[in-house]
Amino acid sequence: EVVMTQSPATLSVSPGERATLSCRASQSISSDLAWYQQKPGQAPRLLIFGASTRATGIPGRFSGSGSGTAFTLTISSLQSEDFALYYCQQYNGWPPRVTFGGGTKLEIK
Amino acid sequence: QVQLQESGPGLVKPSQTLSLTCTVSGGSISSGGYYWSWIRQHPVKGLEWIGYIYYRGSTYYNPSLMSRVSISVNPFKNQFSLELSSVTAADTAVYYCARSQSYDYFDSWGQGTLVTVSS
Repeated sequence: EVVMTQSPATLSVSPGERATLSCRASQSISSDLAWYQQKPGQAPRLLIFGASTRATGIPGRFSGSGSGTAFTLTISSLQSEDFALYYCQQYNGWPPRVTFGGGTKLEIK
Repeated sequence: QVQLQESGPGLVKPSQTLSLTCTVSGGSISSGGYYWSWIRQHPVKGLEWIGYIYYRGSTYYNPSLMSRVSISVNPFKNQFSLELSSVTAADTAVYYCARSQSYDYFDSWGQGTLVTVSS
């Protein structure tokens, strides 16, 4: 099983500043990585797939990068609505085996 | 725009079978091109993928749950379903149904339903 490790567990950032979230895979997953945002009481929302492609309707301040085992989600200028939980998910390999990271809580500093 | 809605009992007794249904609206399951999944979220353990199904019935399951899980599809009702047998308290979670373009990321999710396993 591919283990996904997210860091930090909690990130405190001020509105308007940049946030950088990390996700590491236990083995190479190429670019088969997605990022999700989850707010309390809601389902996760797809932000990024293919490591760097924004999903439909996602603002340009969200960007993803990386390949292989190390990935980053960057939010360039934090808005109040961006403070939430963020998860990464890998979907590499055959037969299909999906695993999620443990999440990063992005909180207001 | 596709919408997914989970339904089923919110309380299941230990050792019994958990059964949930996902109703898809705004699109046909049998039109092809999409894959359908169940995912759960434990209060502490986070998100766990349960399995995929294609409308023709092919399935792939999480190896850790494979011995207890079954996902089926009913194209006529535009629904797909989850059965998880021999449940314990560890199966208490919010259960989501979701859609993907292939065996990959999930672009649409239901709102989720809490299932508690307790006597």
